[in-house]
Amino acid sequence: QLQLQQSGPGLVNPSETLSLNCNVSGASVSNKNYYWVWIRQPPGKGLEWIGSMYYTGSTYYTPSLQSRLTMSMDTSKNQFSLKLSSVTAADTGLYFCSRRNIVAALGYFDLWGRGTLVTVSS
Amino acid sequence: DVQMTQSPSSLSASIGDRVTITCRASHDVSDYLAWYQQKPGEAPRLLIFTASTLQSGVPSRFSGGGSGTDFTLAISNLQPEDVATYYCQRYNSVPYTFGQGTKVEIK
Repeated sequence: QLQLQQSGPGLVNPSETLSLNCNVSGASVSNKNYYWVWIRQPPGKGLEWIGSMYYTGSTYYTPSLQSRLTMSMDTSKNQFSLKLSSVTAADTGLYFCSRRNIVAALGYFDLWGRGTLVTVSS
Repeated sequence: DVQMTQSPSSLSASIGDRVTITCRASHDVSDYLAWYQQKPGEAPRLLIFTASTLQSGVPSRFSGGGSGTDFTLAISNLQPEDVATYYCQRYNSVPYTFGQGTKVEIK
């Protein structure tokens, strides 16, 4: 079944690192037709693209988070991951993993995980 | 960055009405525009891509249009299950940006 299954802690201490995983079922993270994406949503607010990763290892990050953000991929586990360091309360929100489909040239986000609510608090 | 501005921010309409949401880009994005529906407590769902192409499984009462900087999402024959927040998103270049959302409610 085609799905993205997210995992990771829901509570992170300020100044520490937020880590989330997204396990892919029904598709391969090594498929050249897809990028793998993280998006977040602060409480009561809109959607913010965080970053994308391609199977080649290429990464693209939103400028405001670039210095704190690392995306990685484990093809043996068919999963990709997010690490955001030095978190503050402003990083609290719902984090989604997603798939960017580039079959038809530039790609839209056609598959989403259910989201992980991450709260930054001591 | 290219800014995406949606209007209205919220609307209330009756069952069976036709509603239209507008999305304006600060720069030309050609037709690299998608619309998503997000119901409370759920992940966004892709409705439309390339401005007007309906994603598989999406009811035909949803339609999209526009090109360049001005886009619309229309819902004809509004149904109770359409209560949600709708987002436009450009995907022509990074950083990909979303509109601020339009909340649709039933009168």
